[in-house]
Amino acid sequence: EVQLVESGGRFVQPGRSLTLSCEVSGFRFGDYTISWLRQAPGKGLEWVGFIRSKDYGGAPEYAPSVKGRFTISRDDSNKIAYLHMNSLKMEDTAVYYCSREERAMVNFYYYYFMDVWGRGTAVTVSS
Amino acid sequence: DIQMTQSPSSVSASVGDRVTITCRASESLSGYLNWYQQKPGEAPKLLIYAASKLQRGVPSRFSGAESGTDFILTINTLQPEDFATYFCQQSYGAPRTFGRGTRVDLK
Repeated sequence: EVQLVESGGRFVQPGRSLTLSCEVSGFRFGDYTISWLRQAPGKGLEWVGFIRSKDYGGAPEYAPSVKGRFTISRDDSNKIAYLHMNSLKMEDTAVYYCSREERAMVNFYYYYFMDVWGRGTAVTVSS
Repeated sequence: DIQMTQSPSSVSASVGDRVTITCRASESLSGYLNWYQQKPGEAPKLLIYAASKLQRGVPSRFSGAESGTDFILTINTLQPEDFATYFCQQSYGAPRTFGRGTRVDLK
């Protein structure tokens, strides 16, 4: 079964750091771009960033709201992706999800979509 | 960054109704548009990718269409399990961006 499981979410004070993990099973982790997304209480979905597979250079990309504070990394041998969050702000309070970005060829072009998601882990930033 | 404007923000409907939800992109996406369904307390679920391709296992009452920078999700013959929030998302470039969501609730 294809599965992603997030962990590491907890209560943390503003300005502190926290690292979330995304453990994967059921598919070839190294072949996929892994995304992190978040959803603040009662709000919509926000893409936080992703890390490409090694075949695509392995480079991360970030949303402007977290660039310079958050870092995404991956450990292909252990099938884990990480979201390292520094200088946390109250507005970072959210449920954080990881997902797999799949690709499919349609009319000779590859299209990208998040087809499997974890259940999320909650981060609360408050004093 | 590509902006996604989704409308309406909410719609009230009855079982059996047809519901349409629209997303407008701030620039051409060349079909790089996905739709997700989310129920309270759950992770989002992929419904449609590449603007109109139905994800495996998703009922055929869901369909997607593209017209320029406008994308439409249609739910034909609304079922009780379809009451949820729907999001569009562009995958044309990074950062990936979402619409604000449309809540479909019971009239």
